[in-house]
Amino acid sequence: EDQVTQSPEALRLQEGESSSLNCSYTVSGLRGLFWYRQDPGKGPEFLFTLYSAGEEKEKERLKATLTKKESFLHITAPKPEDSATYLCAVQALGAGGTSYGKLTFGQGTILTVHP
Amino acid sequence: DSGVTQTPKHLITATGQRVTLRCSPRSGDLSVYWYQQSLDQGLQFLIQYYNGEERAKGNILERFSAQQFPDLHSELNLSSLELGDSALYFCASSVGTSGSWETQYFGPGTRLLVL
Repeated sequence: EDQVTQSPEALRLQEGESSSLNCSYTVSGLRGLFWYRQDPGKGPEFLFTLYSAGEEKEKERLKATLTKKESFLHITAPKPEDSATYLCAVQALGAGGTSYGKLTFGQGTILTVHP
Repeated sequence: DSGVTQTPKHLITATGQRVTLRCSPRSGDLSVYWYQQSLDQGLQFLIQYYNGEERAKGNILERFSAQQFPDLHSELNLSSLELGDSALYFCASSVGTSGSWETQYFGPGTRLLVL
């Protein structure tokens, strides 16, 4: 069964204090790893998709990286508006090589950035 | 704004009742996904439809059912409601030939409270 574990559960940073969020995954065959941001009471907002080990993607203060077992979301010089829950999800190959759309999510990391 | 719309935003009902949640995907998207988010379980995949046909199924209860109509909107029907069904229900959509490698864009969600 596909599993995604995110750490830490919560992270408090001062504005400008860079850090990383971790997403460890177990999947029979990885189709893609997705990062989403979710604000309280809102729907997840897409950030990145990573497909293969070694891949990196950047957007503003965020950079996502992928290895064969985990992904990191690096936040450089965060601002208070970066405060949110960050969700990691994997999409796996189905039986016989058929790909399904199902995303398996981790529990998320709650990021709080203080001014 | 992801382009995915969901109605209603909030729903309060009683145990044993039946409700219908509605989702309109982004223009041009053929796949629709339903997820349930509760505090203890996180985001859980329920079911996927592609162009009117069921594509993949998660841990969806037998009391729950869904369908996708010719105009591509989808409805999630929840019956014989229990207290534990109280959660946020999200719809997502993707371009969707197979659902794989495609970003899923989430709607704002429907918050269901069963009393």
